[in-house]
Amino acid sequence: GAVVSQHPSRVICKSGTSVKIECRSLDFQATTMFWYRQFPKQSLMLMATSNEGSKATYEQGVEKDKFLINHASLTLSTLTVTSAHPEDSSFYICSARSNTLAGSTDTQYFGPGTRLTVL
Amino acid sequence: GQNIDQPTEMTATEGAIVQINCTYQTSGFNGLFWYQQHAGEAPTFLSYNVLDGLEEKGRFSSFLSRSKGYSYLLLKELQMKDSASYLCAVGSNYQLIWGAGTKLIIKP
Repeated sequence: GAVVSQHPSRVICKSGTSVKIECRSLDFQATTMFWYRQFPKQSLMLMATSNEGSKATYEQGVEKDKFLINHASLTLSTLTVTSAHPEDSSFYICSARSNTLAGSTDTQYFGPGTRLTVL
Repeated sequence: GQNIDQPTEMTATEGAIVQINCTYQTSGFNGLFWYQQHAGEAPTFLSYNVLDGLEEKGRFSSFLSRSKGYSYLLLKELQMKDSASYLCAVGSNYQLIWGAGTKLIIKP
């Protein structure tokens, strides 16, 4: 149980284009989904937190107009990187938590990540 | 403020035991979590402690002392596949506050 998928796993795009990344909880309803970014050999950096049906909460320094988050259902959240530039190249990882799974409601289950390369 | 400290890197030998420590100072506390992250992959959940004491799960055990703001992850019978980063995190307000991770290198 508690499986999270993420699509695509890898994307290469040209500078200036937009890229959409999907995150799905496959066997549970996600109360909250989180989006992280991780640069090589660095720590996880939380970008934003989203609850189904409400606006995402962005961390300080993360541009909400550049990183659009939509959380339309209890099993799907999307992150769109708009007008991507080479400095946006990174490993983007989503995670989900649930109020209904056994164990701690703070446990986050991660998707496999999306490696974005902007040329 | 929020502060979680763990060693940057540790080295151990295959078959041995290693203990990765984590100390924390956070405004809230709703449990101490350990995750494993292999290079180039997303983190996977290992363990969760909310009460003081030791939780054992196969080769991995996790300990918590809330009064000391201290936890450790104990890995026994180390295997080469245990080479990874181990992330300590504190649950607070439905979020996880992350440590920077400890890179564990296993040598044959």
